[in-house]
Amino acid sequence: GQNIDQPTEMTATEGAIVQINCTYQTSGFNGLFWYQQHAGEAPTFLSYNVLDGLEEKGRFSSFLSRSKGYSYLLLKELQMKDSASYLCAVLDSNYQLIWGAGTKLIIKP
Amino acid sequence: NAGVTQTPKFRVLKTGQSMTLLCAQDMNHEYMYWYRQDPGMGLRLIHYSVGEGTTAKGEVPDGYNVSRLKKQNFLLGLESAAPSQTSVYFCASSEAGDNQPQHFGDGTRLSIL
Repeated sequence: GQNIDQPTEMTATEGAIVQINCTYQTSGFNGLFWYQQHAGEAPTFLSYNVLDGLEEKGRFSSFLSRSKGYSYLLLKELQMKDSASYLCAVLDSNYQLIWGAGTKLIIKP
Repeated sequence: NAGVTQTPKFRVLKTGQSMTLLCAQDMNHEYMYWYRQDPGMGLRLIHYSVGEGTTAKGEVPDGYNVSRLKKQNFLLGLESAAPSQTSVYFCASSEAGDNQPQHFGDGTRLSIL
């Protein structure tokens, strides 16, 4: 079967750094997406990785290791508005997106 | 720029009733999708469309039908609603190409009693 694993919930402090992990077992791999979803709102696109390595976009970075079936999203200089769920999704061999259940990130002052 | 618009935002139905969820996008995207999101689970694809007049089944299509008569609109129908279909439904669209990011609507919260 296909599986995406993420921690259910994480807590971090404003101004700090947090790393949200995602491991996957899928039938093939054609890329990995990260989305942000604030409570009661729509998911919004954050990043896409298809090659190994780190992609940096401002305060957010995403890392991929295809050999380990592993990705992480790194958030720096945390702000209260970063409190949200972070969704990891993998494109499998049939180009179907398989979604993780999401990690709820709580930011404390 | 409205992006992806879903109507209605909330709805309560009785078991056995039918309804249609509407999705409209103004970005000229080729691909459109319908998902459901349930607590503790990832988004699950119901149906999708890669162009006007074409539709395909996703992971959980049973109990739902779709139509894409116009490029900008993607309709999701429930013919005979069941309590198991209580969920938050999201519509999304993207440019053609499987690695394109999807743009989501604000969701429809549907309760079936």
